Amino acid sequence: GQQLNQSPQSMFIQEGEDVSMNCTSSSIFNTWLWYKQDPGEGPVLLIALYKAGELTSNGRLTAQFGITRKDSFLNISASIPSDVGIYFCAGQLRGAQKLVFGQGTRLTINP
Amino acid sequence: SAVISQKPSRDICQRGTSLTIQCQVDSQVTMMFWYRQQPGQSLTLIATANQGSEATYESGFVIDKFPISRPNLTFSTLTVSNMSPEDSSIYLCSSAGGSTDTQYFGPGTRLTVL
Repeated sequence: GQQLNQSPQSMFIQEGEDVSMNCTSSSIFNTWLWYKQDPGEGPVLLIALYKAGELTSNGRLTAQFGITRKDSFLNISASIPSDVGIYFCAGQLRGAQKLVFGQGTRLTINP
Repeated sequence: SAVISQKPSRDICQRGTSLTIQCQVDSQVTMMFWYRQQPGQSLTLIATANQGSEATYESGFVIDKFPISRPNLTFSTLTVSNMSPEDSSIYLCSSAGGSTDTQYFGPGTRLTVL
């Protein structure tokens, strides 16, 4: 089946640092989504991307839909303790409703 | 965005028994989905819950093990049948609707099978 390769798998950073993570695929996706999951909770949508080349921000978060439609990145600027969690990318193929998820990036912040 | 609730939030069950998980959306939605998240893993789609017809299952998941109902546009249930410890996971429902079809998730049901 379709797979998304998400990297890095984990990150250990200092508070205030910037963070970058990305997802790549061999398939072309129509939509890219970025979610954050806290322990014991369901994934919460952070940013949705619908057009190739689209760059979208949500506060300190910025995400881009790759021009080839096969990749996306998420940046977090000036990290704070509440940014701790697992970040998932998800892609939606053209004509399909279901999502394919990346393996997740676990973010840990040292105060 | 839709607000989704799930019941129960968690349960501990004996092997061989079945558990039905409920998913309620606060507005009518076109699509509802069920996912499984095994410990420390990502989300895997189990099936798409179709209103008024049989669910569409992904490879590796079958109706006898995971029967799904969707009687209307705001509610769905997932049953985990004849459970074994390997079924211990978080089960999540999601919904999508409107022009963007963006999916929103419920809080999940954490299942432990002894």
